[in-house]
Amino acid sequence: GNSVTQMEGPVTLSEEAFLTINCTYTATGYPSLFWYVQYPGEGLQLLLKATKADDKGSNKGFEATYRKETTSFHLEKGSVQVSDSAVYFCALSDPGSSNTGKLIFGQGTTLQVKP
Amino acid sequence: DAGITQSPRHKVTETGTPVTLRCHQTENHRYMYWYRQDPGHGLRLIHYSYGVKDTDKGEVSDGYSVSRSKTEDFLLTLESATSSQTSVYFCAISESGTSGRETQYFGPGTRLLVL
Repeated sequence: GNSVTQMEGPVTLSEEAFLTINCTYTATGYPSLFWYVQYPGEGLQLLLKATKADDKGSNKGFEATYRKETTSFHLEKGSVQVSDSAVYFCALSDPGSSNTGKLIFGQGTTLQVKP
Repeated sequence: DAGITQSPRHKVTETGTPVTLRCHQTENHRYMYWYRQDPGHGLRLIHYSYGVKDTDKGEVSDGYSVSRSKTEDFLLTLESATSSQTSVYFCAISESGTSGRETQYFGPGTRLLVL
């Protein structure tokens, strides 16, 4: 079935370090791909998305490119800040369920950035 | 921020007790979703709604029921709570589900503890 796999966390980085969080997916059809972020004590909010192969989503210095050939959507940021500490979720829209908008989430990766 | 509220925000209950969680939106969005968040599992879909009185099951629907009598309200009921239903519950909304590209907007969550 359709699924999303994220790298194990937690990821601990120093401020201004380069960030990569790996995300790979399994899906039939052509899903859209999303990164959501959850700050402590809050709900999830959309960070970025890509709706077709080779699209690059970007927001707040974060980027991810939809790679169909490697079924990946890795999240990157060139220089992280303490305020980026959060849990990051990769997700795909379930292409097998039309007209529902259902999302399938990865398990989440905790990022901790130290000053 | 999307106008989504959840109530209660925290609840402690005993095994076998019925529990109802409420999601309220002010965005007039057609689609509403209930997810549960558990460590190592990310978010998993419980039920969703694509209109008033139109609901369907998600991935982990056993032990849960839902109702939507008004566009703005989506209720999640645990008929007889069990300890395995201890979790954080998130409501989400989206304007449409037809393309799979829509952003979902999440509420702040309800933390439920079943003793």
